[in-house]
Amino acid sequence: DARVTQTPRHKVTEMGQEVTMRCQPILGHNTVFWYRQTMMQGLELLAYFRNRAPLDDSGMPKDRFSAEMPDATLATLKIQPSEPRDSAVYFCASGLVLGRGTDTQYFGPGTRLTVL
Amino acid sequence: AQSVTQLDSQVPVFEEAPVELRCNYSSSVSVYLFWYVQYPNQGLQLLLKYLSGSTLVKGINGFEAEFNKSQTSFHLRKPSVHISDTAEYFCAVSEVGGTGRRALTFGSGTRLQVQP
Repeated sequence: DARVTQTPRHKVTEMGQEVTMRCQPILGHNTVFWYRQTMMQGLELLAYFRNRAPLDDSGMPKDRFSAEMPDATLATLKIQPSEPRDSAVYFCASGLVLGRGTDTQYFGPGTRLTVL
Repeated sequence: AQSVTQLDSQVPVFEEAPVELRCNYSSSVSVYLFWYVQYPNQGLQLLLKYLSGSTLVKGINGFEAEFNKSQTSFHLRKPSVHISDTAEYFCAVSEVGGTGRRALTFGSGTRLQVQP
């Protein structure tokens, strides 16, 4: 049963520290998405990649957030330095998009980040 | 740009009663439509999706939704709910087209509370 995995599942850190979240997309999927869920803002897109190339990171605070795909099996989201307002659940999702079509996005279990 | 409105933040319903969760969207381009369910402390799971064809879409767990283009709606229904359906439900859209934005735009969610 293929699924998206995310590590760590929970992270508590202090303000100013660097945080790295990792995602392993489903093998064969060519798109990867990072979403953030908060009570105030709901679910919002941070960044997404197709074939490892970033297509849209307009939802990401550029000064402190960065997203990369070092290879097809790993996506990372990094926050440096972290701030209390970054506390949220961060979801990774992957999908297979071919041409004009679309496909279901499969979500990982999320990383619950708490910045003190 | 798209937007999704879920007017009901909470819907209480008794077990075995029917339920409808409302979703309206706004977009300047054609969209694909999705309903996701989120159980406590879990990621999002796809319930159903509308890509094209028949406007009545059937999904998992006995849910169905109907796409109404003229009213720009995609309401979710279930004829008889179970306690296990208690969860948060999200309506989402993504753009159609070769260069369409595949990232999902989510509504704010509807909390379905099934009471015995």
